[in-house]
Amino acid sequence: EPEVTQTPSHQVTQMGQEVILRCVPISNHLYFYWYRQILGQKVEFLVSFYNNEISEKSEIFDDQFSVERPDGSNFTLKIRSTKLEDSAMYFCASRKREGPNEQFFGPGTRLTVL
Amino acid sequence: QKEVEQDPGPLSVPEGAIVSLNCTYSNSAFQYFMWYRQYSRKGPELLMYTYSSGNKEDGRFTAQVDKSSKYISLFIRDSQPSDSATYLCAMVYGNNRLAFGKGNQVVVIP
Repeated sequence: EPEVTQTPSHQVTQMGQEVILRCVPISNHLYFYWYRQILGQKVEFLVSFYNNEISEKSEIFDDQFSVERPDGSNFTLKIRSTKLEDSAMYFCASRKREGPNEQFFGPGTRLTVL
Repeated sequence: QKEVEQDPGPLSVPEGAIVSLNCTYSNSAFQYFMWYRQYSRKGPELLMYTYSSGNKEDGRFTAQVDKSSKYISLFIRDSQPSDSATYLCAMVYGNNRLAFGKGNQVVVIP
């Protein structure tokens, strides 16, 4: 069964460094998402991406964040100049088409900023 | 962020019992209502979704939506130890973004 994959599973970085989180969505999916979950808090929407551009972003997704689909398979989230409060689980999700919102989630990347 | 409220308290039930979970919401713009299951160290997995008031059944799972009260529920019949997980309610709004509840950790004791 096809699934969303994410790498790395755990990333440790120093405050102020840049990190890139990688996702490989399900191959015939068209819509891509990033969410994050700070420990003990809700899963929060960050950004959605369709047709090679951002379709919607939350207030969390400021200039520190960017997303890219550099080739036909990868979908990345870049965080510039990481802060302590960026420590969280980051989930990638993908969806096939319009209609019922069956977003399929990856296993997540745990980001720890020291 | 109080759009979706889910009492996060853990829930322990004996095997075979009915598990009852619920969420309330405040935003009338929510279009679809979903329940996700999340096992430890895994991403959320879609269990059920519905968009209208009423009940929807899928095997041992029943999702219930009451739009007039802004209240959704998930019932798990004949609960099994394999049902032990965190259950998240989620609602769709805007351009297909999901708003999640905080999640309920459910433990089914054999």
